[in-house]
Amino acid sequence: KQEVTQIPAALSVPEGENLVLNCSFTDSAIYNLQWFRQDPGKGLTSLLLIQSSQREQTSGRLNASLDKSSGRSTLYIAASQPGDSATYLCAVRRGGTALIFGKGTTLSVSS
Amino acid sequence: DTEVTQTPKHLVMGMTNKKSLKCEQHMGHRAMYWYKQKAKKPPELMFVYSYEKLSINESVPSRFSPECPNSSLLNLHLHALQPEDSALYLCASSQGQGMSPLHFGNGTRLTVT
Repeated sequence: KQEVTQIPAALSVPEGENLVLNCSFTDSAIYNLQWFRQDPGKGLTSLLLIQSSQREQTSGRLNASLDKSSGRSTLYIAASQPGDSATYLCAVRRGGTALIFGKGTTLSVSS
Repeated sequence: DTEVTQTPKHLVMGMTNKKSLKCEQHMGHRAMYWYKQKAKKPPELMFVYSYEKLSINESVPSRFSPECPNSSLLNLHLHALQPEDSALYLCASSQGQGMSPLHFGNGTRLTVT
């Protein structure tokens, strides 16, 4: 059974810092991995999708990497801003199934 | 703005009520999903529809009844719910069930009294 773990569970940083969020999964037979952002009480906003054949994806200040063989992904956020404060979820997908989510990392960026 | 629209945004219902949650997308996606999310927990899959047919039911109690009237619409019919069913119900869609990303709506916040 696929399990997804995110470390740390919570993170507080001052504005301007670069930071890394970690995601690990137990079964490397995945189609893709998707990173989401969730603001309190809101739905999920897709940030980046990495297919199993890819190593990384970038969007603005965000960079996500994937090492499928070791079952790991990282989300790098450059020059963090207070508006980045949210819960970040990673989710993996296998064929014929929907996403399996980690428990998330709650990020707080102070000004 | 999300491309997956869920209504209502909030719903309060008694344990004897019957209500429905609605989800709509116009992206031409052929797979649609219902997820349930409790506070401070990750979303948990409930149902998957692929080409308007139910393809996955994650052993959800029968008091939750999904319906996919057409490729753009997904409903979740609720009947005789329990207070522990109170949660954020999220709808999502994707091009297919394979390699395409999921797009989520903003959810319906359900409270069962």
